[in-house]
Amino acid sequence: GAGVSQSPSNKVTEKGKDVELRCDPISGHTALYWYRQSLGQGLEFLIYFQGNSAPDKSGLPSDRFSAERTGGSVSTLTIQRTQQEDSAVYLCASSLMGFTNTGELFFGEGSRLTVL
Amino acid sequence: QKEVEQNSGPLSVPEGAIASLNCTYSDRVSQSFFWYRQYSGKSPELIMSIYSNGDKEDGRFTAQLNKASQYVSLLIRDSQPSDSATYLCAVILNYGGSQGNLIFGKGTKLSVKP
Repeated sequence: GAGVSQSPSNKVTEKGKDVELRCDPISGHTALYWYRQSLGQGLEFLIYFQGNSAPDKSGLPSDRFSAERTGGSVSTLTIQRTQQEDSAVYLCASSLMGFTNTGELFFGEGSRLTVL
Repeated sequence: QKEVEQNSGPLSVPEGAIASLNCTYSDRVSQSFFWYRQYSGKSPELIMSIYSNGDKEDGRFTAQLNKASQYVSLLIRDSQPSDSATYLCAVILNYGGSQGNLIFGKGTKLSVKP
């Protein structure tokens, strides 16, 4: 597609349920990031995939959070046993990370998660 | 120490004034620095990148980098109400397992008053 696509755009769930958020990056982009943004806050890094390398999971807040990237393209962020503090906008971004390491990320519109 | 720090603001400037946004970072060997703009309810978008000490100008925007002081700033000349947004400083880390990771500050909210 032309840009980074995320789904669902909005998700309301009950505490304790599992949710899956999907990200389809720009074709050809090797790097994919997940960030979380709570109301009025900055971007909190969650996880970073670069090509076929092992992902950097250092930002995942707990073992309830996991992510995978299949075939170097689509990524799914899974939150198990959701808690109210998980409510936030989950942003996915992709980047063409070549030698110059431009750092230009192209963001999707985000998935707004509300845990009741 | 947080890796990328910014004053949260809000920073309020009158239309036509210069807005100055500041950012400090903790990774001494970082080489790549970025400013993203985020309008309310929207996703961030890249507006400036800077890699060398000194100033880099792009239209009304000037990024300034001082690696010795671990300081990067963004100046917006002739500020317009349409510049009202949150400005996020971002740095690529170059150490350990997080090499290549882009870390954001919490952002400074800028309000340009007509």
